[in-house]
Amino acid sequence: GENVEQHPSTLSVQEGDSAVIKCTYSDSASNYFPWYKQELGKRPQLIIDIRSNVGEKKDQRIAVTLNKTAKHFSLHITETQPEDSAVYFCAASTVRADGLTFGKGTHLIIQP
Amino acid sequence: DAMVIQNPRYQVTQFGKPVTLSCSQTLNHNVMYWYQQKSSQAPKLLFHYYDKDFNNEADTPDNFQSRRPNTSFCFLDIRSPGLGDAAMYLCATSQDSTPGEQFFGPGTRLTVL
Repeated sequence: GENVEQHPSTLSVQEGDSAVIKCTYSDSASNYFPWYKQELGKRPQLIIDIRSNVGEKKDQRIAVTLNKTAKHFSLHITETQPEDSAVYFCAASTVRADGLTFGKGTHLIIQP
Repeated sequence: DAMVIQNPRYQVTQFGKPVTLSCSQTLNHNVMYWYQQKSSQAPKLLFHYYDKDFNNEADTPDNFQSRRPNTSFCFLDIRSPGLGDAAMYLCATSQDSTPGEQFFGPGTRLTVL
């Protein structure tokens, strides 16, 4: 089955700086890669996703890049703000709608 | 508004006492999922229904069962909860025409005494 590795487990950045979280996956059949933000006690919220036919996608301060050959994808957050503090999960899925395999999460801390 | 609803939001049960968690959706999605999320861990897929077809993950304990009586509802039954089953249980839905994109419910926090 799929295995998703996520790094780092904790990331602390100064407000206004950029944050980068990286994930690798093992199953070459995976073709959908979402990123979720989860605040304490709440459900995961989809913040951005990318499919395997695209190399990069951007939505305001958030961007995701995908390298299918190397089987890795990354989340980039620019101009970080205190409300960006949360746990971020990457995930991977195949076209068969079998469910998401999540990375272990990154606790992002924005220092004021 | 179309959404995924879970009831109850908080459930307390006793060790070994069966418990059922409920999920309903108004999105008319054909795929429904149950995830278990323990404290400070990632969500872990337990099983999913593709229409009426049940798909169990290989490492999901036999203690966990599921029912989907119709498109809108899905239930998670824990036959004999142990202390290790205390977790947040998340229901999610997707439509197979847009594979991968999932909509999560608010979750049910299960406490086992």
